[in-house]
Amino acid sequence: EVVLTQSPATLSLSPGERATLSCRASQSVSSYLAWYQQKPGQAPRLLIYDASNRATGIPARFSGSGSGIDFTLTISSLEPEDFAVYYCQQRSDWPPGLTFGGGTKVEIK
Amino acid sequence: EVQLVESGGGLVKPGGSLRLSCAASGFTFSDVWMIWVRQAPGKGLEWVGRIKTKYVGGTTDYPAPVKGRFSISRDDSKNTVYLQMNSLKSEDTAVYYCATDYRQGYLGSWGQGTLVTVSS
Repeated sequence: EVVLTQSPATLSLSPGERATLSCRASQSVSSYLAWYQQKPGQAPRLLIYDASNRATGIPARFSGSGSGIDFTLTISSLEPEDFAVYYCQQRSDWPPGLTFGGGTKVEIK
Repeated sequence: EVQLVESGGGLVKPGGSLRLSCAASGFTFSDVWMIWVRQAPGKGLEWVGRIKTKYVGGTTDYPAPVKGRFSISRDDSKNTVYLQMNSLKSEDTAVYYCATDYRQGYLGSWGQGTLVTVSS
C-alpha cells in the first residue's frame, strides 16, 4: 500500500502570502495524485487532479506540481477563505484503491 | 447540479450492523462509480470502498480494515448507493461520506456526510 506523508502538519501564514504544501509518496504514483480542501464542518472539495490539473471552478491561485514521489500544492496568494485543511490522495490500480495523506492545516498567523 | 444525500447514521453497539444510504441526483447515476470515505472525529480521511458501474461488472474494492465486514451495493433504478456495515467496532466511529468517482480514482462531488457512532 502506498503511504502519503504530508508536511508540514501546520502552516501559519498571513493573507496575501504564498503557501507551499508538500506530499511525499512511499513509492512512485506517477502523476495519479489529487489535492482536496476541507473547511470545518464541510465535506472536502477536489482542487487538483493528476498532480497539476485544476478541477472545475478552482481559482488559478491554486496550482499543483510534481510526479513520482514528490508533489507540491501552491497557493500563490492566500485569500481569507483559503485557511483550511488540505489533503493529498493517490489512486492505484494494484492493489486497487485510494489512500490519503494525513493533511496540512493552513492557519492564519 | 450534483447532489448526494447520505442517511442512516446513528448510534450502534459494538458488534452491531448499520446500513447507510446515499441518494444521488443531478447526473446519470448508472454511469458513475461511487465511493465511500470516512473521517473519524478530529482525524483525516480514510477510503472505505467503491463500486464500479454495471458496465464494468459492478465490482467492488475495499481496504483491509473493512474488508469482509463492509459491503457496497447500488440500485441504479433508485439512484442510490448503500454501505452495509457489519461487526462494527469502536474504531469505525466516523462521519461517512459518499462521493462520485472522477477519472477512475478521484472524488469529484461529495455528500454532506452522516455520523456513525459505535459505542456501548
